[in-house]
Amino acid sequence: NAGVTQTPKFQVLKTGQSMTLQCAQDMNHEYMSWYRQDPGMGLRLIHYSVGAGITDQGEVPNGYNVSRSTTEDFPLRLLSAAPSQTSVYFCASSYSGALDTQYFGPGTRLTVL
Amino acid sequence: GENVEQHPSTLSVQEGDSAVIKCTYSDSASNYFPWYKQELGKRPQLIIDIRSNVGEKKDQRIAVTLNKTAKHFSLHITETQPEDSAVYFCAARPANDYKLSFGAGTTVTVRA
Repeated sequence: NAGVTQTPKFQVLKTGQSMTLQCAQDMNHEYMSWYRQDPGMGLRLIHYSVGAGITDQGEVPNGYNVSRSTTEDFPLRLLSAAPSQTSVYFCASSYSGALDTQYFGPGTRLTVL
Repeated sequence: GENVEQHPSTLSVQEGDSAVIKCTYSDSASNYFPWYKQELGKRPQLIIDIRSNVGEKKDQRIAVTLNKTAKHFSLHITETQPEDSAVYFCAARPANDYKLSFGAGTTVTVRA
């Protein structure tokens, strides 16, 4: 199993550009989520999904969209990038959301100029 | 929602000594408390977790304790080694919620 994969590893955007961060898992996990990591602030939940076709907002959803058309994929879309979205983004998945181990992807380092 | 506070933000220990990181949480309905270790440039990885029906759990040099009455839980690392140097995150999840709330992290440095 590849586990949780993310692409790209690094990305530089200009303010106002849009892009999609890709996340995929091959463990048949129902629960997937996106976090952003900023210095001194831990991991903050952006959006999450409890299964295909179901998504919900986390702690910091503004400026981001998600969709979950398949169990495997959970892309994160930046609609109009802003410098405040410069961060490291992690995707995570677990078999269910309740008491199961959450596995993280390798992360995407995004810089918005 | 759940609010998790973590202390200290940085911790420097001599190799062989113990390290203790403490977290408090706000939602009394939380019942799952994992700890993650993140090495520089890497992804967070689960090192130990505890559920609310248990007061303490050990795994080799790592132990976690939970006090539900006081709403705090702690990570204890004994006989620290250089490879223990990393950022450690605590987290909490309420029983009726899928969302995991993280503390701000503790940077642990083990001095040789």
